[in-house]
Amino acid sequence: SAVISQKPSRDICQRGTSLTIQCQVDSQVTMMFWYRQQPGQSLTLIATANQGSEATYESGFVIDKFPISRPNLTFSTLTVSNMSPEDSSIYLCSVRQPLFYGYTFGSGTRLTVV
Amino acid sequence: DQQVKQNSPSLSVQEGRISILNCDYTNSMFDYFLWYKKYPAEGPTFLISISSIKDKNEDGRFTVFLNKSAKHLSLHIVPSQPGDSAVYFCAAGARQGGSEKLVFGKGTKLTVNP
Repeated sequence: SAVISQKPSRDICQRGTSLTIQCQVDSQVTMMFWYRQQPGQSLTLIATANQGSEATYESGFVIDKFPISRPNLTFSTLTVSNMSPEDSSIYLCSVRQPLFYGYTFGSGTRLTVV
Repeated sequence: DQQVKQNSPSLSVQEGRISILNCDYTNSMFDYFLWYKKYPAEGPTFLISISSIKDKNEDGRFTVFLNKSAKHLSLHIVPSQPGDSAVYFCAAGARQGGSEKLVFGKGTKLTVNP
């Protein structure tokens, strides 16, 4: 299965600032996914990032708040903009494997906004 | 509205015994289901999946059972080992219409006691 490197692994940020999370995959993949896991909650899909096109955002998530880049088939970034304490979560990137292997996740970025 | 529910936030079993983790879903459009295991400070790791055309899938110590009429699936771990202690997430997806979105439950924390 694909290996995903995600960084930073954790960060503590001041409210009002922005943080960009990077996700590097060791193989070319068509679709990359960004998830958020708020404390005590399930993983929630933020957006799907396709190379060469605009990301597709889920209900409740907007591009101004979570801009995504997908410059090539192995890399993507998610920016959490104008952060508030409510953005404190674990953010994860994911890629789709052949169905038998499911989806592979990065190790996550634990974000704390103070 | 939670489409995927894991009603037990935690489960504790003795080493060597069976662990049974349960998951219920509400959306009849889901046609495949996955279980993920997550250790602290790591991303979720794919464990096992099942298509809606099956009622059982087995992989070593792990077996997933699907009861479509009840909209219920379960993960059986036999025999349970201390290294199985982790948070287990149930996830569901609907391939019809080309959707890649996974919907996750909130997870069940399994503790296997030596």
